[in-house]
Amino acid sequence: EAQVTQNPRYLITVTGKKLTVTCSQNMNHEYMSWYRQDPGLGLRQIYYSMNVEVTDKGDVPEGYKVSRKEKRNFPLILESPSPNQTSLYFCASSLYRGGFGELFFGEGSRLTVL
Amino acid sequence: DAKTTQPNSMESNEEEPVHLPCNHSTISGTDYIHWYRQLPSQGPEYVIHGLTSNVNNRMASLAIAEDRKSSTLILHRATLRDAAVYYCILSRPTGNQFYFGTGTSLTVIP
Repeated sequence: EAQVTQNPRYLITVTGKKLTVTCSQNMNHEYMSWYRQDPGLGLRQIYYSMNVEVTDKGDVPEGYKVSRKEKRNFPLILESPSPNQTSLYFCASSLYRGGFGELFFGEGSRLTVL
Repeated sequence: DAKTTQPNSMESNEEEPVHLPCNHSTISGTDYIHWYRQLPSQGPEYVIHGLTSNVNNRMASLAIAEDRKSSTLILHRATLRDAAVYYCILSRPTGNQFYFGTGTSLTVIP
């Protein structure tokens, strides 16, 4: 089954404790991206990647890092999480490099930073 | 940034057509218009997208204004399963980015 898998789905952590949210897709997609969803603000793009070793900032990259060492994986790293990073996070992938085709989303990871 | 503006909420009766509007007055010539919907506790799912011409697929139709500053998602016969938040999105291929609006929450009344 074609899918985008995120882990963990739910996480409660404390300020400053590094964490990684993993994202994996099994569709051989080139384009992957991360979004955060906050009430009243919709989804905002954090980072995106057009292919292996190619990443770029979205609208709200501060406090986040990403890497794309393999085509299927695109982890989101919070080196020192803060309470304002409490949010619902979505990973997405697309066959085409940004903008032309359908985005496939994961089920989301709800992060709470205390 | 490319911005979209949508009504916060709309209601529709079951089995009637629904027209969901979106304004995107800052759209540039190469921006695509996408629509996604999000059911509770799920990630957004693709509905339809287009560039200049109207588009139809099995889920919906997309009507794009001639000046491209607005578009309308048309659900031909609303069902209870269509109750969701609908997002109008602009994508900028030159920048590989997607710009989500805040969405319209659609309620379908039986």
